[in-house]
Formats: sequence, C-alpha cells, structure tokens
Amino acid sequence: KQEVTQIPAALSVPEGENLVLNCSFTDSAIYNLQWFRQDPGKGLTSLLLIQSSQREQTSGRLNASLDKSSGRSTLYIAASQPGDSATYLCAVKAGTASKLTFGTGTRLQVTL
Amino acid sequence: EAGVAQSPRYKIIEKRQSVAFWCNPISGHATLYWYQQILGQGPKLLIQFQNNGVVDDSQLPKDRFSAERLKGVDSTLKIQPAKLEDSAVYLCASSLGQGRSYNEQFFGPGTRLTVL
Repeated sequence: KQEVTQIPAALSVPEGENLVLNCSFTDSAIYNLQWFRQDPGKGLTSLLLIQSSQREQTSGRLNASLDKSSGRSTLYIAASQPGDSATYLCAVKAGTASKLTFGTGTRLQVTL
Repeated sequence: EAGVAQSPRYKIIEKRQSVAFWCNPISGHATLYWYQQILGQGPKLLIQFQNNGVVDDSQLPKDRFSAERLKGVDSTLKIQPAKLEDSAVYLCASSLGQGRSYNEQFFGPGTRLTVL
C-alpha cells in the first residue's frame, strides 16, 4: 500500500527566503507525482505534475524534482512571498487508471 | 475555460439525515473523481468515474454513500444516513482522461459538510 509523507507539517519563513518542501513515498513504482496548493477553505490548485520519466518540472518560482529510486520529491520555492502562504500537498499516482494518494501536507506561512 | 463547479459550498445537517452534493466537471473531461478530505489530512479518493462508468469505488462506504454520473457529465454524491465522522470537505476533480498527457487533475472548491 502506497504511503505518502510530507515533512515538515508546518513551516514559517520570512519573506524573500528560498525554501524546500519534502515529500516521500513508499512504493517507487509510480506513474506521476503532482504538487498542489490549498488555500484555507478552498479546493486544490495544481502547481506541477512530474511524469515518472522526468526528473524535474519548473513553473515560475517553483521547481519540483523527482527521484523515484529513493522515493522522494522536493518542491523548491524561490524568493518566497506572503501570497505563497498555503498548504502544499503532494500526491502520487501508481498507474494510468489509479487514484492519487495524497500526503497530509505542509502548512507554509511566509511572514513580512 | 470554466473550472470544476460544485454546490453547495457549505452544508450543515444532523446525524442520520441525508445530503447530496453536485459536481460539474470541466467541459470535455471524461474522468471525474470524488474525494473526502477530513480536517488535517490529505484528500482520500471515494470514487472515480470514466465517462459514466465506475473505475474505482474501493474506498466508498457503500452502506451509506452513493454516487452517479448518469450522462457522463455532471455527478451527484449522496450520503444517507450521515454520521458524525462524515464531517469533511468533499472535493470533486476532473481530468481529460487516463492517458499520459491527460492525467492532470483539476479540483473544484469543495463542499464543507458539518454533521451535528
């Protein structure tokens, strides 16, 4: 059974800092991995999707890496801003028709 | 492009009552998902539809939960009767399909259910 863990559970950083969020998964036979952002009381917004054959994806100030063999992914946020404050969730998909298995998220607060 | 629509946004009911949630996916998306997100946890898949057929409902408590997508477009999730532990946010998501290029899931705003 796939298990996804995110560390830390919560993180507070001052504005302008670069930061890394971690995601680990127990079964390395994944199809893809997706990072989401969730604002309080809102749904999930997809940030980046990495296929199993890819090592990283970039979008603006966000960079996600994937190391299947070690069962790890990182989300790097450059030059953090208060608007980045949210919960960040990673999710893995085992196969094309398989469900997403989510981690419990990292709650990020970027302070002024 | 319009996103995934869900209604209602909030619902408060008493235990043993019934409740229904509605979802309209992004136009043209063949795959529709219902997730349950309990406070402090990641979303858990309840049911996945491909067009109007069920792909995965292994985690759906079928004694009280039901879902349908009769015309392969919008979907309804029902709980009857509700229990206290059903208090959660119910998220609907959709994707184009199941092929490699079409896997990205897009989520609606969710329905927050409180069972008293």
